[in-house]
Amino acid sequence: QKEVEQNSGPLSVPEGAIASLNCTYSDRVSQSFFWYRQYSGKSPELIMSIYSNGDKEDGRFTAQLNKASQYVSLLIRDSQPSDSATYLCAVKVDNFNKFYFGSGTKLNVKP
Amino acid sequence: SQTIHQWPATLVQPVGSPLSLECTVEGTSNPNLYWYRQAAGRGLQLLFYSVGIGQISSEVPQNLSASRPQDRQFILSSKKLLLSDSGFYLCAWRHTSGSNNEQFFGPGTRLTVL
Repeated sequence: QKEVEQNSGPLSVPEGAIASLNCTYSDRVSQSFFWYRQYSGKSPELIMSIYSNGDKEDGRFTAQLNKASQYVSLLIRDSQPSDSATYLCAVKVDNFNKFYFGSGTKLNVKP
Repeated sequence: SQTIHQWPATLVQPVGSPLSLECTVEGTSNPNLYWYRQAAGRGLQLLFYSVGIGQISSEVPQNLSASRPQDRQFILSSKKLLLSDSGFYLCAWRHTSGSNNEQFFGPGTRLTVL
């Protein structure tokens, strides 16, 4: 059974701070990792993908992957109220067609 | 560029009525296609996925079924809806060529069963 765990939150941070979202997964052979942002009432939007250990930066977002610890995180720098949403972590195992999603962490950025 | 469409956007149906939700993808060929359901305040539940025309893998045994009559068309159906079928239904697609594993979601259909 492949499991993806996220703290449901809510995680509250002040505007301009760094938001840190964490995700752990149970399958050691998981190879591809994704972060989605989902605004209330909307569909998930892909914001980051990461495939190898280390950091990957895209604008204000940084994804961090540690396969040995089975841990992936998302850092949001200079958080804005518009970043307030639920963030979903997803993992995929190579050669399998399914994605496994966490239940999401709700982020509130306070002005 | 690729685009994914779902319709209808919103649907209110009585218990016991049939259901048909449609998803189409533009701008790609032979995508993997997925149906998910998200209950209020919950995570994503994978219902079905398809790797090609006529091929359907079912993840959850329920009163729902899926079909893929064309390469870029994915349909979710039910003969008789239950109250528990209410939720946000999301279609998603993924490239099958290259190393890009990214999955992209459509706008979703919000279904309320009364």
